Amino acid sequence: DVKVTQSSRYLVKRTGEKVFLECVQDMDHENMFWYRQDPGLGLRLIYFSYDVKMKEKGDIPEGYSVSREKKERFSLILESASTNQTSMYLCASSLALGAYGYTFGSGTRLTVV
Amino acid sequence: QKEVEQNSGPLSVPEGAIASLNCTYSDRGSQSFFWYRQYSGKSPELIMSIYSNGDKEDGRFTAQLNKASQYVSLLIRDSQPSDSATYLCAVNPYFGNEKLTFGTGTRLTIIP
Repeated sequence: DVKVTQSSRYLVKRTGEKVFLECVQDMDHENMFWYRQDPGLGLRLIYFSYDVKMKEKGDIPEGYSVSREKKERFSLILESASTNQTSMYLCASSLALGAYGYTFGSGTRLTVV
Repeated sequence: QKEVEQNSGPLSVPEGAIASLNCTYSDRGSQSFFWYRQYSGKSPELIMSIYSNGDKEDGRFTAQLNKASQYVSLLIRDSQPSDSATYLCAVNPYFGNEKLTFGTGTRLTIIP
């Protein structure tokens, strides 16, 4: 089974801090994604990467950046954390959408105080 | 208009009955459709995918797709308390696109 690992399950950061969320997948998937999930708003795409060093903005990229230096690792960076970035962050990967959809990591619950 | 719409629920179904979850989508050219189950505090897990009009069955789960009417549904037969979760509908808007658009989910509760 594909495993998508997010480095932290819970994280508490202060306003203005630079925050790094790490995601690693072990099945050589080309595509990796960062979503945030908020009650009533569902899953919203922040950034997407379809190859090493390639990235594409999603629906809500403001305040975020990403890095993909190696195929297996996709990092989400909050340049200056704000309270409205308190959320559940979900990383996902896919080989190709096909019949497989995405495989999600276990999520990082980030609280910005 | 939201691209993928689901009734947020909660939907309550007695144990052993059929649970019916519905999803509509706005992009007529959408190619592939997925149902994810998400337990409280956990991440979504894929339970069904469907691409062609009609029904697709996997155990107690049946996905139904009607592209002309732009809806996809998920039926859960012989509902169990362990089926209590939020069910997310996801749609791939067009061929070659690797990004899914998710609905906000329907919360399902199975009553023992």
